Amino acid sequence: DAGVIQSPRHEVTEMGQEVTLRCKPISGHDYLFWYRQTMMRGLELLIYFNNNVPIDDSGMPEDRFSAKMPNASFSTLKIQPSEPRDSAVYFCASSLGGASGNTIYFGEGSWLTVV
Amino acid sequence: AQSVTQLDSQVPVFEEAPVELRCNYSSSVSVYLFWYVQYPNQGLQLLLKYLSGSTLVKGINGFEAEFNKSQTSFHLRKPSVHISDTAEYFCAVSRPNSGYALNFGKGTSLLVTP
Repeated sequence: DAGVIQSPRHEVTEMGQEVTLRCKPISGHDYLFWYRQTMMRGLELLIYFNNNVPIDDSGMPEDRFSAKMPNASFSTLKIQPSEPRDSAVYFCASSLGGASGNTIYFGEGSWLTVV
Repeated sequence: AQSVTQLDSQVPVFEEAPVELRCNYSSSVSVYLFWYVQYPNQGLQLLLKYLSGSTLVKGINGFEAEFNKSQTSFHLRKPSVHISDTAEYFCAVSRPNSGYALNFGKGTSLLVTP
């Protein structure tokens, strides 16, 4: 089975440009999570969706960040405009059901560098 | 709030030696704990998880962890490490009010040398 698929794997962009990160969750999973990983702050939950609906976006750092899930098999995380401090690895993850024991599966990450 | 603290940022160890990576948790409710591994330039992979029952949990790649409620700990152990175990290890606790998303520790970098 295919795991969580993210694209692009690597992106280098200039400050002020729009960045769009994409995610395809595991088929059948109804929860989707976006995490950000930095050296300073570790892994942070940005937002999560249940059945394509955003449930908690309290981790989104500011209005420059937005996330959508137009259907069960696709989600985007957009940064506009991007800033150097947005440089990080962005992980998408998915799980089946919102129960305590359910395993969350991670994609391989999108490595973003803003110069 | 649920949180975990990983007590060591780096753990160097020789090949075939035992290793313990330490994790303490803080939770006001029933706790569900996880260990994930991240190999260089890859995503996170589940090693093992504790939900209930036996306090000794066995995972993949020969790893195991012990849940200790009195010490609020969930330390990860392996009796004999390999070079290929070199990776970043994350302890995590489930967040019941957030779709059971995970709160992660800062990670422990395990470096296995010959």
